[in-house]
Amino acid sequence: GNSVTQMEGPVTLSEEAFLTINCTYTATGYPSLFWYVQYPGEGLQLLLKATKADDKGSNKGFEATYRKETTSFHLEKGSVQVSDSAVYFCALSYTGGGNKLTFGTGTQLKVEL
Amino acid sequence: SAVISQKPSRDICQRGTSLTIQCQVDSQVTMMFWYRQQPGQSLTLIATANQGSEATYESGFVIDKFPISRPNLTFSTLTVSNMSPEDSSIYLCSVKGASTEAFFGQGTRLTVV
Repeated sequence: GNSVTQMEGPVTLSEEAFLTINCTYTATGYPSLFWYVQYPGEGLQLLLKATKADDKGSNKGFEATYRKETTSFHLEKGSVQVSDSAVYFCALSYTGGGNKLTFGTGTQLKVEL
Repeated sequence: SAVISQKPSRDICQRGTSLTIQCQVDSQVTMMFWYRQQPGQSLTLIATANQGSEATYESGFVIDKFPISRPNLTFSTLTVSNMSPEDSSIYLCSVKGASTEAFFGQGTRLTVV
């Protein structure tokens, strides 16, 4: 079956530090990959996506590249801000699976001054 | 993108009672999804609701406990029946976008006492 594995948190960084949150997946076929962000007390927001191998999704300074050879979709940001403090979820879906999302466990990020 | 409104945003309920959560979308969508996010955990799909047919439930979830209605292409309800403290979670409605991404409502934070 499909699964997503994320690095465990919480992750605590100083402002302007470099961020990497690892995500690897197991899936049949060719899934689409996503990063969602959940700010405190809010629902999920789509941060970025990639739909095929070697695609790079980017948004708000965050990037992730779909690596089929390593089945990975690591999230990176060059310089984090306090406002980036949130929980980040890696997820996958594929058309053959009815477009259902399979989520990782989430990684809490805390950015301090 | 789709705008999704969920009601109520939060509720505190007595055990043994039922709560119906409403999800309204600002555009017509074929597939709607209901997820549960237990405290400190990731999201788990409860069921997929298509208009004009019965909802399809994931393993571990049954219609008697989580009845779902889908009367039209912009609206759905999820009922949490005969609640116990273990049902305390955030319940999220989701719809598939025009491409591969999914959009989420703000969630309903349920506490059962």
